[in-house]
Amino acid sequence: DIQMTQSPSSLSASIGDRVTITCRASQTISTYLNWYQHEPGKAPKLLIYAASILQSGVPSRFSGGGSGTAFTLTISSLQPGDFATYYCQQSYSAPPRTFGQGTKVEIK
Amino acid sequence: QVQLQQWGAGLLKPSETLSQTCAVYGGSFSDYYWSWIRQPPGKGLEWIGEVNHNGATNYNPSLKSRVTISVDTSKNQFSLKLRSLTAADTAVYYCARGRGARGDLIGVYLDYWGQGTLVTVSS
Repeated sequence: DIQMTQSPSSLSASIGDRVTITCRASQTISTYLNWYQHEPGKAPKLLIYAASILQSGVPSRFSGGGSGTAFTLTISSLQPGDFATYYCQQSYSAPPRTFGQGTKVEIK
Repeated sequence: QVQLQQWGAGLLKPSETLSQTCAVYGGSFSDYYWSWIRQPPGKGLEWIGEVNHNGATNYNPSLKSRVTISVDTSKNQFSLKLRSLTAADTAVYYCARGRGARGDLIGVYLDYWGQGTLVTVSS
């Protein structure tokens, strides 16, 4: 199985801050990497697929990058609705389609 | 607009079988991977498995011996059964649509999700 490791596990930030989350794969996955946002009590929401393609309707302050084994999710200017847990997921090899352990973004 | 609506029992006893169904409204039922994901309390997301419209399945190896995912194309529904439950299976269970540009297993992303169902396993 491909293991996905996110860092940090949690972070505190203020409105307007630039935030970057890192995701590393245990083996190369090209650009087959997805990012999801998960707010408590809601269904997860797809933000980015294929490492850098913004899902329709997702604000442009979200961006993704990377290839191979190292990937990033960046929020250019944190907004109130962005406080949530973010997960990466590899889509290179299945089964299983493994998720990272999550990064919780909290209000400073 | 695609919508996924899921239902199933929320309180089960150890050794029982979890049964969840997800109905798909809007959009095509073909050409997608219909998926199940769960989140135990205080933990992250875990991919359970998926089925396509032809009934071909992929399962998480950690659950494969206890899981069955099936599809009913006449009703645009797919279902999850998880046998021999223990307390460790307590989680919110989500159904989701897996979409990929390549038409194969690579590059699939989950673009629509059900609302989630909390399943508690307790005696």
